[in-house]
Amino acid sequence: QVQLVESGGGLVKPGGSLRLSCEASGFSLSDYYMTWIRQAPGKGLEWVSYITGNGDTIYYADSVKGRFTISRDNAKNSLYLQMNSLRAEDTAVYYCARDLRNKGLDCWGQGTLVTVSS
Amino acid sequence: QSVLTQPPSVSAAPGQKVTIPCSGSSSNIGNNYVSWYQQLPGTAPKLLIYDNNKRPSGIPDRFSGSKSGTSATLGITGLQTGDEADYYCGTWDSSLSAVLFGGGTKLTVL
Repeated sequence: QVQLVESGGGLVKPGGSLRLSCEASGFSLSDYYMTWIRQAPGKGLEWVSYITGNGDTIYYADSVKGRFTISRDNAKNSLYLQMNSLRAEDTAVYYCARDLRNKGLDCWGQGTLVTVSS
Repeated sequence: QSVLTQPPSVSAAPGQKVTIPCSGSSSNIGNNYVSWYQQLPGTAPKLLIYDNNKRPSGIPDRFSGSKSGTSATLGITGLQTGDEADYYCGTWDSSLSAVLFGGGTKLTVL
């Protein structure tokens, strides 16, 4: 059964850091591009970042460039998002998703909530 | 405001058909694949259509996707109350080097 499970969310103060993890099961992470998407409370979907199967190509949304870092450990079948210099506007549910090379996101995790507040 | 434009809401009666448009430009929809997602309240989004018009396994053929030029359309026939959800289009933008989502359309089945 193909499954993605995010973890690592929580409450953090502005300027703080958090590392999200996404553990994959039922498939080999190295065979797929992987993506992070977020959704602020009551808002639509916002793409955050994606990484190719071997990690040689990475893209970020302008809103997180320079503050967030995506990475993967294919041996652990896990995807990560290191988030630094967090702002209130980063408050959102963060989803990881399996990416069919820009044709669609066919498997999503349940999401993990990140709240940035003093 | 999203680069991909969707109407905020659509509605139709049970059993009827509805279409949800998604408008973009040559740098996104015009030259890249379009996908569609359904998000039921309180749940993660689910892929309905990928590669413009393909349905993943398990998605009923009541859902269809099409693309023409710089616009795409999601069609849903035989509407059911369980189809009430938010629907999002998505695609890659070659100029921005970014994935884009539409602002979302809330479907109400009256």
